Amino acid sequence: AQKITQTQPGMFVQEKEAVTLDCTYDTSDPSYGLFWYKQPSSGEMIFLIYQGSYDQQNATEGRYSLNFQKARKSANLVISASQLGDSAMYFCAMRVYSGGYNKLIFGAGTRLAVHP
Amino acid sequence: NAGVTQTPKFRVLKTGQSMTLLCAQDMNHEYMYWYRQDPGMGLRLIHYSVGEGTTAKGEVPDGYNVSRLKKQNFLLGLESAAPSQTSVYFCASSYPGGTRTGEAFFGQGTRLTVV
Repeated sequence: AQKITQTQPGMFVQEKEAVTLDCTYDTSDPSYGLFWYKQPSSGEMIFLIYQGSYDQQNATEGRYSLNFQKARKSANLVISASQLGDSAMYFCAMRVYSGGYNKLIFGAGTRLAVHP
Repeated sequence: NAGVTQTPKFRVLKTGQSMTLLCAQDMNHEYMYWYRQDPGMGLRLIHYSVGEGTTAKGEVPDGYNVSRLKKQNFLLGLESAAPSQTSVYFCASSYPGGTRTGEAFFGQGTRLTVV
């Protein structure tokens, strides 16, 4: 079965520290993509970072990096130097191939609170 | 550049009423999706479309119908609303690509309450 699992319903971190949000996935397809999205309290979905299954290096986008461990099927998001504005829901998502088409499935999310 | 626009943003329905949510995108994307977001359950895929005139079922399709008559529009219909359909609905669109171009762009969401 194709599935995304985020086991941390909530996390908190002190401002300026780093935090890791966990994501594990399950798919039998060799080709897939992994995404992280941020949802602030205003509700919009903001793309953060992408990792392809064949990418040799871990993806980085500014303060965001994706710790991709293919053998363990994990794609953890690392936020360095946390800021108060990082407080939000974070969703891990996977693009999978099913029924002849690609589709995007999401995990349950992790709510991150950054404390001053 | 509007991106993905959902109409309406808020709606209250009585049980048994019907309604249609409209999603419009101006990025010429092939793929469009409808998700519902419920507390503790993340975003669950209702239906999706891989091109004009095509639709497919997602994880939670029961009670919903969709149509994609034009490439830029994807409609989600509730024929007989139930309280269990109270949720926030998100529309998204993407290219079908196998790279970051598979990134989904989201609308601002529709908060639906069924009483």
